[in-house]
Amino acid sequence: DIVMTQTPLSSPVPLGQPASISCRSSQSLVNSDGNTYLSWLQQRPGQPPRLLIYKISNRFSGVPDRFSGSGAGTDFTLKISRVEAEDVGVYYCMQVTQHPYTFGQGTKLEIK
Amino acid sequence: EFQLLESGGDLVKPGGSLRLSCAGSGLTLSNVWMGWVRQAPGKGLEWVGRILSKSSGGTRDYPAPVQGRFTISRDDSRNTLHLQMNSLKDEDTAVYYCTASTVGGGFDVWGQGTVVTVSS
Repeated sequence: DIVMTQTPLSSPVPLGQPASISCRSSQSLVNSDGNTYLSWLQQRPGQPPRLLIYKISNRFSGVPDRFSGSGAGTDFTLKISRVEAEDVGVYYCMQVTQHPYTFGQGTKLEIK
Repeated sequence: EFQLLESGGDLVKPGGSLRLSCAGSGLTLSNVWMGWVRQAPGKGLEWVGRILSKSSGGTRDYPAPVQGRFTISRDDSRNTLHLQMNSLKDEDTAVYYCTASTVGGGFDVWGQGTVVTVSS
């Protein structure tokens, strides 16, 4: 199985400041079709997960443009340009290149 | 708007069985790739299994921890996905979410989850 490793596991960020979360996979996430199926999910307290980004950098419908994804191969990053109060929660990277699909451990974003 | 609604969660004894359901509205479940994800109390997300769309062959796959114990099925007449869980263990205690992929390469539709507790 592909192991997904996120850093940091906790990130206290002042309101209005940027935040960055890294995700590394144990092997390349480039699929045989040429696509890289790396997603980012947000889980607010008491809520189900919500898709933010798919295929590394595609922002899902309705996701604010302060969220962006980048990376390639085995190294990926989620950036929030200016953290808002509603961004508090846990963020997960997820690979859907190879089954079984796997998640990172989660990064807890808090307001400092 | 696409919606998924899970049901069937309960308290069950170790070794017991349970069937979860996931009803879809606004989308035809047989046309999309779907999966089940669970989250143990205070823990992260864990993939439990998937079923491909009819056009992709309807293949079902499971990770090792549930292989041979869990089975995903789909009732197209009721637009409902099921997760049959047998030989349940304490470590199967979790919130179970069903999810669907309507965008290529990401699971964008999630239910609210149903709680399964395995305890004697």
